[in-house]
Amino acid sequence: GAVVSQHPSWVICKSGTSVKIECRSLDFQATTMFWYRQFPKQSLMLMATSNEGSKATYEQGVEKDKFLINHASLTLSTLTVTSAHPEDSSFYICSASPGRRSYEQYFGPGTRLTVT
Amino acid sequence: SQQGEEDPQALSIQEGENATMNCSYKTSINNLQWYRQNSGRGLVHLILIRSNERETHSGRLRVTLDTSKKSSSLLITASRAADTASYFCATAVYGGATNKLIFGTGTLLAVQP
Repeated sequence: GAVVSQHPSWVICKSGTSVKIECRSLDFQATTMFWYRQFPKQSLMLMATSNEGSKATYEQGVEKDKFLINHASLTLSTLTVTSAHPEDSSFYICSASPGRRSYEQYFGPGTRLTVT
Repeated sequence: SQQGEEDPQALSIQEGENATMNCSYKTSINNLQWYRQNSGRGLVHLILIRSNERETHSGRLRVTLDTSKKSSSLLITASRAADTASYFCATAVYGGATNKLIFGTGTLLAVQP
């Protein structure tokens, strides 16, 4: 149980275009989803927290207009990188939690984004 | 930065030896968790220790927690080549409306066969 999927697993896009990454909880309802980014050989940095049906909460330094997060249902959250630039190239990982007060997080396999 | 620190940054050992990784953090926590990540892959949850616990075990893993020093250690006994991966500690903290995980900087473990 507690499986989280991400799609796509990798994507290459041209500078200036937008790309959407999906995060799905497959066998449980995720009240809360988290988005992280990870640069090569570095740790995971929390970008934002999204609760179903409400606006995402972004961490300090993360541009909300650049990284659009939608958590429209209890099983799906999307991250859209708008007007992507090469410096946005990174590994994006989502996680899902069954409740806002829960400390359980189940991680997706990640999406490798390369912006050329 | 809220991020925790881990040391060593990299560790190379021989198969059969024990590996110890340390994690220090900055804030009050509810629990502390350890994860493994193989290169370019997602995270695998290894073990969790609650803030009121001092030690816990799971198979070849042993975790200690010292809340007075805000530190934790992960011991992997009788290491195997398959244990080669990056290891991250993550502290579970109250983030306002939502609880969240703050990850440490990670330790890259290489187990030589």
